Amino acid sequence: QTVVTQEPSFTVSPGGTVTLTCGLSSGSVSTSHYPTWYQQTPGQAPRTLMYSTKTRSSGVPDRFSGSILGNKAALTITGAQADDESDYYCLLFMGRGIYVFGTGTKVTVL
Amino acid sequence: DVQLLESGGGLVQPGGSLRLSCAASGFTFSTSAMSWVRQGPGKGLEWVSAINSDGFSTYYADSVNGRFTISRDNSRNTLYLQLNSLRAEDTALYFCARESSGWYLYDYWGLGTLVTVSS
Repeated sequence: QTVVTQEPSFTVSPGGTVTLTCGLSSGSVSTSHYPTWYQQTPGQAPRTLMYSTKTRSSGVPDRFSGSILGNKAALTITGAQADDESDYYCLLFMGRGIYVFGTGTKVTVL
Repeated sequence: DVQLLESGGGLVQPGGSLRLSCAASGFTFSTSAMSWVRQGPGKGLEWVSAINSDGFSTYYADSVNGRFTISRDNSRNTLYLQLNSLRAEDTALYFCARESSGWYLYDYWGLGTLVTVSS
């Protein structure tokens, strides 16, 4: 089955900018995969940040933005804050009812 | 308010079976596609299975295909996952999640039920 890859970890300074990506083991990510981004604290349910590539979920601050960069989906945090320290997962719709989560990125704000 | 409450997890031996349930409330269950997602200890999220609103279409990850069965009872507002031939690598917190219609995302999640496969 398809593997969706994300960077294992990033460290960003408070106020800094970081871009997380979500790529396919075979092929390119496009808007047809309806990329969704989740933020999660381990053991808790994920929180939706972004869906359909670049639509922010209700209540999500505008320092989070989504896009397609080259052949990957991307989540950018501009002006990182301490409470952005979390795990981030992308989710791609692969068609025929099948979804795949990315491998996840741990973001540290330091 | 939308609520999803999973139950049925527990300790089971390798090769054993378990049935998970997810009781839904606060929305029209019978018109919502639903899924199961799991997370192993210290691991990432893994999509497991999905079912459409009327229960006639089901989908599975390769890792569970042939061993797990998703089903639903719209009269009881309940989603199920039958886990058979369990392996150690199936040990995880199992979440049920509602698919937001037409938007290809999971907008509501339960708190999960823990399945531990060990002898």
